[in-house]
Amino acid sequence: DGGITQSPKYLFRKEGQNVTLSCEQNLNHDAMYWYRQDPGQGLRLIYYSQIVNDFQKGDIAEGYSVSREKKESFPLTVTSAQKNPTAFYLCASSTQGAETQYFGPGTRLLVL
Amino acid sequence: KNEVEQSPQNLTAQEGEFITINCSYSVGISALHWLQQHPGGGIVSLFMLSSGKKKHGRLIATINIQEKHSSLHITASHPRDSAVYICAVRPVYNNNDMRFGAGTRLTVKP
Repeated sequence: DGGITQSPKYLFRKEGQNVTLSCEQNLNHDAMYWYRQDPGQGLRLIYYSQIVNDFQKGDIAEGYSVSREKKESFPLTVTSAQKNPTAFYLCASSTQGAETQYFGPGTRLLVL
Repeated sequence: KNEVEQSPQNLTAQEGEFITINCSYSVGISALHWLQQHPGGGIVSLFMLSSGKKKHGRLIATINIQEKHSSLHITASHPRDSAVYICAVRPVYNNNDMRFGAGTRLTVKP
């Protein structure tokens, strides 16, 4: 089945630790996105990538990093510089120029 | 001020009631989306609109471009419709971006 997967479902981070959230899609989509969702707020764009080996910062990129070495994969690293990382993280993908984005099931990140 | 505002924030209805969720936006857009987020967190796309009205089963979405307003209606609501409904717009100033409302949490009681 085609789709977009995220792992893990829950992730715990200790102070000063970097953690990486996985996002994989087998939809052959060129574009991929990372969003952060906080209670009472709309989704906010962290990073997006329109093509392999290229990515752009979104509204809230500080404290995060990404890579796009393969079309299928767009991992997000939450670095120790992100002082308030507790949130629900959603990955999405779309074909180039398409309006509709397909979302993964999300990863909930909690700080210990 | 958010570029996309939804109302109400929370909505509780009895099974069978007609539901309306509103979305207002302040930027020029190329398209507006209605999304559904279930308690587990996954999001699915319900509608994409650039004008007029669309219907899918018991769901109807309308948009008024001049007034920068859209509504999502659910007829004959059912407990399985309980979810968070999110309005999102694609601004004309950045075709790579989407702007999201904070969502409307709908609970339909049997």
